[in-house]
Amino acid sequence: EDKVVQSPLSLVVHEGDTVTLNCSYEVTNFRSLLWYKQEKKAPTFLFMLTSSGIEKKSGRLSSILDKKELFSILNITATQTGDSAIYLCAVEPHTGNQFYFGTGTSLTVIP
Amino acid sequence: NAGVTQTPKFRILKIGQSMTLQCTQDMNHNYMYWYRQDPGMGLKLIYYSVGAGITDKGEVPNGYNVSRSTTEDFPLRLELAAPSQTSVYFCASRSDGNQPQHFGDGTRLSIL
Repeated sequence: EDKVVQSPLSLVVHEGDTVTLNCSYEVTNFRSLLWYKQEKKAPTFLFMLTSSGIEKKSGRLSSILDKKELFSILNITATQTGDSAIYLCAVEPHTGNQFYFGTGTSLTVIP
Repeated sequence: NAGVTQTPKFRILKIGQSMTLQCTQDMNHNYMYWYRQDPGMGLKLIYYSVGAGITDKGEVPNGYNVSRSTTEDFPLRLELAAPSQTSVYFCASRSDGNQPQHFGDGTRLSIL
């Protein structure tokens, strides 16, 4: 059965800290891995990763995929209170059009 | 710039009632999805569609039905509401298989 596991489940840090969120997967015939940020409402897209070892970056956020070891990390540097959210990882296999989501990491950034 | 629009935002149902959750997108996306999100859990796929007239079951389809008569609309129907269907429901769409999904703001549904 396909599975996506995120760790840690929750995290509390102070403003300015750097955090690393983890996503490991067991998905047959991998196609892509996506990271989303979810605040009060809809998940908003952050990154889509398809190739191993290539870092995607947007401001203070970056992500990288390791297809050999079947995991991805999401890094946030110089955290701000606005980074407080649930971060979701999703994996799509080549077969079918389904996405498998992890349970998310809840990040709280304290001023 | 509406994107994916879901209605209603909140609803309370009694056990055994039926209702339709509406989802419409104005981006001409072929792919549309319905998810449910329970507390502490990730999103679980209920149904999806790759184009008008085509629908398929996801991980948790029992108790739900969908239709896709137009590209824009993808309603989700609950026929006999049960307490286990209390959840937040998200609709999403994407243009093709190489693009990420865009999500609506969700419908919070409680069944009492």
